[in-house]
Amino acid sequence: AQKITQTQPGMFVQEKEAVTLDCTYDTSDPSYGLFWYKQPSSGEMIFLIYQGSYDQQNATEGRYSLNFQKARKSANLVISASQLGDSAMYFCAMRERNQGGKLIFGQGTELSVKP
Amino acid sequence: KAGVTQTPRYLIKTRGQQVTLSCSPISGHRSVSWYQQTPGQGLQFLFEYFSETQRNKGNFPGRFSGRQFSNSRSEMNVSTLELGDSALYLCASSLGLAGGLDEQFFGPGTRLTVL
Repeated sequence: AQKITQTQPGMFVQEKEAVTLDCTYDTSDPSYGLFWYKQPSSGEMIFLIYQGSYDQQNATEGRYSLNFQKARKSANLVISASQLGDSAMYFCAMRERNQGGKLIFGQGTELSVKP
Repeated sequence: KAGVTQTPRYLIKTRGQQVTLSCSPISGHRSVSWYQQTPGQGLQFLFEYFSETQRNKGNFPGRFSGRQFSNSRSEMNVSTLELGDSALYLCASSLGLAGGLDEQFFGPGTRLTVL
């Protein structure tokens, strides 16, 4: 059964430092995509980064990178040079190719950036 | 390019009433998915519409229904509201290409409170 697990309910990081948010997944579909979203207190889900199951290289988008370890079924988000505005909930999500637009979300990690 | 819009942003209803929420996708996007977010259950997939047809459905009772119009705008309806339906309802749009794993872009959500 498809499942996303985020084991860190909350994390603190000092401003300008890097932080890694963990995500593991489970699927039997060989073709899938992994997504990270940021949700500030306003509630809107902001797309951050995407990794396809067949992608050979780890995805990067500005200060965000995804550490994709397919054999371990993990897709950790790395935020470099944290900023105060990075304080938010972060969700890892997965879509399987045969499931259309259905996203399965993890429980989320609340990140707090300290000045 | 305008983002995903949802109306209304806030809604207060009483038990037993029904409610209709609206979602306008990004121009050119044909897939609209709906999600329910609660503190206890997290983010759960409700259904997806593509070209006016429901393409996928989550595990919600029949009180939850939706539809999509020819301009890709979508509505979801909840009948006979229960206290547990209080949640943030998010819609997301994507191109929805067959077999694609394109990212979904979310709207700001509708916060429904059932009294």
